[in-house]
Amino acid sequence: GDSVTQMEGPVTLSEEAFLTINCTYTATGYPSLFWYVQYPGEGLQLLLKATKADDKGSNKGFEATYRKETTSFHLEKGSVQVSDSAVYFCALHIRGRDDKIIFGKGTRLHILP
Amino acid sequence: GAVVSQHPSWVICKSGTSVKIECRSLDFQATTMFWYRQFPKQSLMLMATSNEGSKATYEQGVEKDKFLINHASLTLSTLTVTSAHPEDSSFYICSARQGRTDTQYFGPGTRLTVL
Repeated sequence: GDSVTQMEGPVTLSEEAFLTINCTYTATGYPSLFWYVQYPGEGLQLLLKATKADDKGSNKGFEATYRKETTSFHLEKGSVQVSDSAVYFCALHIRGRDDKIIFGKGTRLHILP
Repeated sequence: GAVVSQHPSWVICKSGTSVKIECRSLDFQATTMFWYRQFPKQSLMLMATSNEGSKATYEQGVEKDKFLINHASLTLSTLTVTSAHPEDSSFYICSARQGRTDTQYFGPGTRLTVL
């Protein structure tokens, strides 16, 4: 079945470090791919999305490129801040297939000042 | 941007009582709303999908008689946890989708604690 696998956390980095959170997916169709972020005690916020191969989603300095050949959607940021500390969820959606979003397990990110 | 609210943000109740959680789309009409449950440090578990004016579709293993979902209007869905027990304590999150788009907008969540 369709699934999302993302790197386990927690990931701890120093401020201004480079961030990569890996995400790979399995899908029989052509999914849209998402990164959601959850700050402590809050719901999820859409961070960025890409709807087809080679699309790049970007927001708040974060980027992710839809790689069909490697079935990946890795999240990157060039210089993280303490305020980026949160849990990041990779997710996919296949239109017409149950119409659900399938989430990865989430990666907790800690940024040290 | 699309905003989804939840009320209450947190609730504490006694075992055996029922609790209602509201989910509202504030600036768009949500044809479909989703209810999720999240355990500490874990991912979201989809409980049910509700379309306005029709019965909710529950995921396997979710008791429909315990978790009552009503989606009476295009801007409001409610989740009622009936006869709550301590094991129902969790973080409940709703999301809303407009039309057939692939983007869901999430509410801030409701933390339920059953004593």
